[in-house]
Amino acid sequence: QKEVEQNSGPLSVPEGAIASLNCTYSDRGSQSFFWYRQYSGKSPELIMFIYSNGDKEDGRFTAQLNKASQYVSLLIRDSQPSDSATYLCAAPNTGFQKLVFGTGTRLLVSP
Amino acid sequence: NAGVTQTPKFQVLKTGQSMTLQCAQDMNHNSMYWYRQDPGMGLRLIYYSASEGTTDKGEVPNGYNVSRLNKREFSLRLESAAPSQTSVYFCASMRGPQDEQYFGPGTRLTVT
Repeated sequence: QKEVEQNSGPLSVPEGAIASLNCTYSDRGSQSFFWYRQYSGKSPELIMFIYSNGDKEDGRFTAQLNKASQYVSLLIRDSQPSDSATYLCAAPNTGFQKLVFGTGTRLLVSP
Repeated sequence: NAGVTQTPKFQVLKTGQSMTLQCAQDMNHNSMYWYRQDPGMGLRLIYYSASEGTTDKGEVPNGYNVSRLNKREFSLRLESAAPSQTSVYFCASMRGPQDEQYFGPGTRLTVT
């Protein structure tokens, strides 16, 4: 079974700090990686995707990918209480046309 | 463009009753998926349809059946509901391999 692993948390950070969320994956065939945000009682919402090694920035969010280490991370700068949610990492399960999701990291941003 | 829609939003069933959860997408995506999510847990794949005309089991298929009615619609049926099937059910769709999935708003199902 190809896996995506995340620390379940909770990760607690003060407002204004940088939150760092990490994910490792086992399928070396995966070419794309996704970060979803899920608020309590809501469905997962795509917030970032990354295909190439290195960093990709979008507003306060930066996704980082290291294919050699099979490691993906999400940095949230200037964290806000509204960022408090569960963040899911996902990678394709090559050959089976589906995504494998991590169990998610719960982020708590305190005012 | 509604994305992925699901009906109903909420449902309460008695043990042994049957029901069908409906899902439709208007993004012309090839693949569709049914997940369940229990409190404090991650997403678990029930069934998926990689393309119109095909369906495959996921991690937790027991007690469920699916139908890919056409490219837009993918339904999930519980033939004889059990309390263990109390969960939130999400439908998702995906254009192709290595692409992202888009999720519907979910159906909150309680089986008493």
